[in-house]
Amino acid sequence: NAGVTQTPKFQVLKTGQSMTLQCAQDMNHEYMSWYRQDPGMGLRLIHYSVGAGITDQGEVPNGYNVSRSTTEDFPLRLLSAAPSQTSVYFCASSPGTASEKLFFGSGTQLSVL
Amino acid sequence: SQKIEQNSEALNIQEGKTATLTCNYTNYSPAYLQWYRQDPGRGPVFLLLIRENEKEKRKERLKVTFDTTLKQSLFHITASQPADSATYLCALEGGGSSASKIIFGSGTRLSIRP
Repeated sequence: NAGVTQTPKFQVLKTGQSMTLQCAQDMNHEYMSWYRQDPGMGLRLIHYSVGAGITDQGEVPNGYNVSRSTTEDFPLRLLSAAPSQTSVYFCASSPGTASEKLFFGSGTQLSVL
Repeated sequence: SQKIEQNSEALNIQEGKTATLTCNYTNYSPAYLQWYRQDPGRGPVFLLLIRENEKEKRKERLKVTFDTTLKQSLFHITASQPADSATYLCALEGGGSSASKIIFGSGTRLSIRP
């Protein structure tokens, strides 16, 4: 089992560029979510999805878009990258509801210059 | 405002002693609380989940308590080992309309010295 796969592992963007961080899971999990992690600030929830076709905002959604067209994939889009979006991004999934344990990907380190 | 606080920026413990980490929360009414371990450069890994009607949960050398009156969870590692050195994160569900939001504390970095 691959689990939760995030691509790319590293990315450098210029201010104003757009890009999509990919997240895929092969465990047939209903729940998926995106977090960003900055030094000393723990994990902050960006967006989450309780199933295909359903998404909702987390704590820090501004500047990010998501969609969930399939159970397996939950891409995160940066529409116009800003230096404040420099961070490590983690995707996570859970079997059913959010009350079950989260499985995390290995992260994407993003730098916006 | 809603807040999750974890004790200390870093905790240094002598090998063999019990490490105790604290997670306090305000303005949440979580039905459960989770603890995760994170090693440098890796994603968090789930350790334990405790529900609001459970006072204590154990798994090998790990013990978690959950006091909904004090709004606090304690995470204990007994007979600590250098391999236990990592950052430990607590997480809880947002509750109410936020029942699907899993919110994390900022973590406690634990170092076990030989």
